[in-house]
Amino acid sequence: KAGVTQTPRYLIKTRGQQVTLSCSPISGHRSVSWYQQTPGQGLQFLFEYFSETQRNKGNFPGRFSGRQFSNSRSEMNVSTLELGDSALYLCASSQGVDTQYFGPGTRLTVL
Amino acid sequence: GQQVMQIPQYQHVQEGEDFTTYCNSSTTLSNIQWYKQRPGGHPVFLIQLVKSGEVKKQKRLTFQFGEAKKNSSLHITATQTTDVGTYFCALLILPGGTSYGKLTFGQGTILTVHP
Repeated sequence: KAGVTQTPRYLIKTRGQQVTLSCSPISGHRSVSWYQQTPGQGLQFLFEYFSETQRNKGNFPGRFSGRQFSNSRSEMNVSTLELGDSALYLCASSQGVDTQYFGPGTRLTVL
Repeated sequence: GQQVMQIPQYQHVQEGEDFTTYCNSSTTLSNIQWYKQRPGGHPVFLIQLVKSGEVKKQKRLTFQFGEAKKNSSLHITATQTTDVGTYFCALLILPGGTSYGKLTFGQGTILTVHP
């Protein structure tokens, strides 16, 4: 099976702009989670979607949002970008409550 | 909420030496997972522990869950340069009454292996 794919792999934006990141889970996986990874804060959970519904949400401001489509593909959106949003954004898919399979991530740089 | 403290933050070893990273919690954990992230890569699932005192082995890697389920360790015997990376422990937190949850990661231990 193909692994989790994320697009784009790299992105450069300026403050105030918005960005949309995409994630395609492993075929058959219905759960998709998003994480933000920074050197200072480590890996932090953003939200999780299952069957187009957000089941879990982390402690991030409302500028961070996501959605999931009927084919389980997911997008996350960050509006009004701030410098501190520069990070590696990781998507992970799973079938159940155990193993999470991570994608390669999208490296976002905010200037 | 539940959190884990992971130590050490950094570990430098000579190839062939052993390496251990620890995760500690003040509360009882229902489970703990371990992931490895190579430099420039993404986290890769290694193992999940759920039982008190559980010990699992994967070749040179030994994973242990404490008897009180408040701590866990990952031990690598005779490190190799391919072991380089960041090792994370993670809790799968299941909100009450649900069978799904979110992962809360420790800060990770960055392992450097000198040839």
